[in-house]
Amino acid sequence: DAGVIQSPRHEVTEMGQEVTLRCKPISGHNSLFWYRQTMMRGLELLIYFNNNVPIDDSGMPEDRFSAKMPNASFSTLKIQPSEPRDSAVYFCASSLWGAGTDTQYFGPGTRLTVL
Amino acid sequence: DAKTTQPPSMDCAEGRAANLPCNHSTISGNEYVYWYRQIHSQGPQYIIHGLKNNETNEMASLIITEDRKSSTLILPHATLRDTAVYYCIVYSGGGADGLTFGKGTHLIIQP
Repeated sequence: DAGVIQSPRHEVTEMGQEVTLRCKPISGHNSLFWYRQTMMRGLELLIYFNNNVPIDDSGMPEDRFSAKMPNASFSTLKIQPSEPRDSAVYFCASSLWGAGTDTQYFGPGTRLTVL
Repeated sequence: DAKTTQPPSMDCAEGRAANLPCNHSTISGNEYVYWYRQIHSQGPQYIIHGLKNNETNEMASLIITEDRKSSTLILPHATLRDTAVYYCIVYSGGGADGLTFGKGTHLIIQP
């Protein structure tokens, strides 16, 4: 299996621009998670989906952030408009819910820099 | 509030066993102990998990105390590539929520 795939791996943009991060979960997994990592706050959960439905988005910092999962093999995290404080590494993870302990497997991350 | 407590950093000589402790005194009966690690600039990597019994896989061993209030991750023969931040997480699974990462232990393997 290819594992969780994220694109792009690096993104540099200017303040005010729209940014879209993409994730392809492991085939057959039915839960998908978006995390953000910064030096100040560490790794924090933003939102997660189960069977393509958003279950908990309480970690999404502001209305500028939105996430979608149109099908079982694709999810996007969008920031519009982006701000310098959004600079971070964004990780996507997937798991097979209902399989017991739901081990999450992480992608390589997208390093976002907002100038 | 953090549900786990780990030392911020540890050193270990290459080839020796690395023993990483974790305290989770408020763990609930349905919560598992998970260990992940994050090598610099990479995504967190799953290592091992357990509920009550000790567990072993190709990467590591997990020793959980009988009262389940603490655990130890053991890397039997540490190599330089094991240098990473190791996270101990208590998690009930079942699709209930995401993982809550603390600050972890920065393990440095010395040549």
